[in-house]
Amino acid sequence: EVQLVQSGAEVKEPGATVKISCQVSGFSFVDDYIHWLQQAPGKGLEWMGLIDPGDGETIYAEKFHDRVTITADTSTHTAYMELSSLRSEDMAVYYCAITPQSSGTYFNRYWGQGTLVTVSS
Amino acid sequence: QSALTQEVSVSGTVGQKVTLSCTGNSHNIGSYAVAWYQQISHGAPKTVMFANYLPSGIPNRFSGSKSGTTASLTISGLQPEDEADYYCSTWDFSLTAQVFGGGTKLTVL
Repeated sequence: EVQLVQSGAEVKEPGATVKISCQVSGFSFVDDYIHWLQQAPGKGLEWMGLIDPGDGETIYAEKFHDRVTITADTSTHTAYMELSSLRSEDMAVYYCAITPQSSGTYFNRYWGQGTLVTVSS
Repeated sequence: QSALTQEVSVSGTVGQKVTLSCTGNSHNIGSYAVAWYQQISHGAPKTVMFANYLPSGIPNRFSGSKSGTTASLTISGLQPEDEADYYCSTWDFSLTAQVFGGGTKLTVL
């Protein structure tokens, strides 16, 4: 069974950095892409970026590229998404998702449960 | 402004067939397969279709198609549990990014 288990909800002050984890089981990990997505309250899904855990190569969306860092630890099958300089607009649920590299980058096969990040002073 | 365009809302009665559309351009839908995600009551999204392929566990009343720069998700024999938000997505080579539609709220009357 494929499982993506994300870390728990976070409350951060404006300007702070948040780091969310996503532990994968039941999937290869090194032969997959791990994606991160943002969903603000009442809004749609927005792609933030992806990582190839096999070689650490990343692709970031233009909107987030100067504030997001996605990493992966192949020894623990865990991916991380770090978002810096948090502002009120970053208050959202963040999802990780996984797809076999053989399927390409266009979609997300399995999803994590989501992590709520609240930004408040 | 989403890169892909979806209807804001669609409704249907139990047993009816409904079709959701997703329109893009040659940089995205015209060049790549499309995926569809179901999100019920703001829970985690679930993949219900990718490249017109039905993932295991998804009822075969769901089907997908694509023509040019428009993709469609059809639900034949609508069920109450199909009420959800549906998002389409694909890759865009000019943006080097995964792109999404704004989502369609499907109401089962």
